[in-house]
Amino acid sequence: DTGVSQDPRHKITKRGQNVTFRCDPISEHNRLYWYRQTLGQGPEFLTYFQNEAQLEKSRLLSDRFSAERPKGSFSTLEIQRTEQGDSAMYLCASSPGSGDSPLHFGNGTRLTVT
Amino acid sequence: QKEVEQNSGPLSVPEGAIASLNCTYSDRGSQSFFWYRQYSGKSPELIMFIYSNGDKEDGRFTAQLNKASQYVSLLIRDSQPSDSATYLCAVKSGNQFYFGTGTSLTVIP
Repeated sequence: DTGVSQDPRHKITKRGQNVTFRCDPISEHNRLYWYRQTLGQGPEFLTYFQNEAQLEKSRLLSDRFSAERPKGSFSTLEIQRTEQGDSAMYLCASSPGSGDSPLHFGNGTRLTVT
Repeated sequence: QKEVEQNSGPLSVPEGAIASLNCTYSDRGSQSFFWYRQYSGKSPELIMFIYSNGDKEDGRFTAQLNKASQYVSLLIRDSQPSDSATYLCAVKSGNQFYFGTGTSLTVIP
């Protein structure tokens, strides 16, 4: 399978704990995006990378959120001191970055904060 | 604020009918447009993209784009129960993708 891979698929954590998610994009894709989606809403942009450079981060994103893509391949998204409002599906998507190429999504990581 | 608006539905059509899904967007500089299908609890799956004004057909799906009206639509012909899902409209502006809230479609057997 050469699609976008996300790990874990599900994460249950207690409020105040830190969590980290991993995304492996399609290998030839140099752009990687993180989105968050809650029930009944469309995906909400969090941040994106071109290769290892983080080019844009949502102004709505709390300082508790950080993302890295250290070698321009896989990426991690960390949430510190989780809150119940962080409960959502976290989606990773990649794109070749050329022209008008679409996003290809992974299966997502569903986070539940209790 | 770059907005993408969709009628949230739910939209119900009988099996075999045509389902019509609509989307408007605010940024006139948007250059490409996508339709994703999302089953409950799953991630979005690309089904169509369109860049130029007019119609683009792929099997039972037709995407229509009118940049002057800032309007993009998706028609699903011969709707099947397996088409029951939420359909997300996405608009690319620069390097960013903006999503609507999705339209829930139910195809009744």
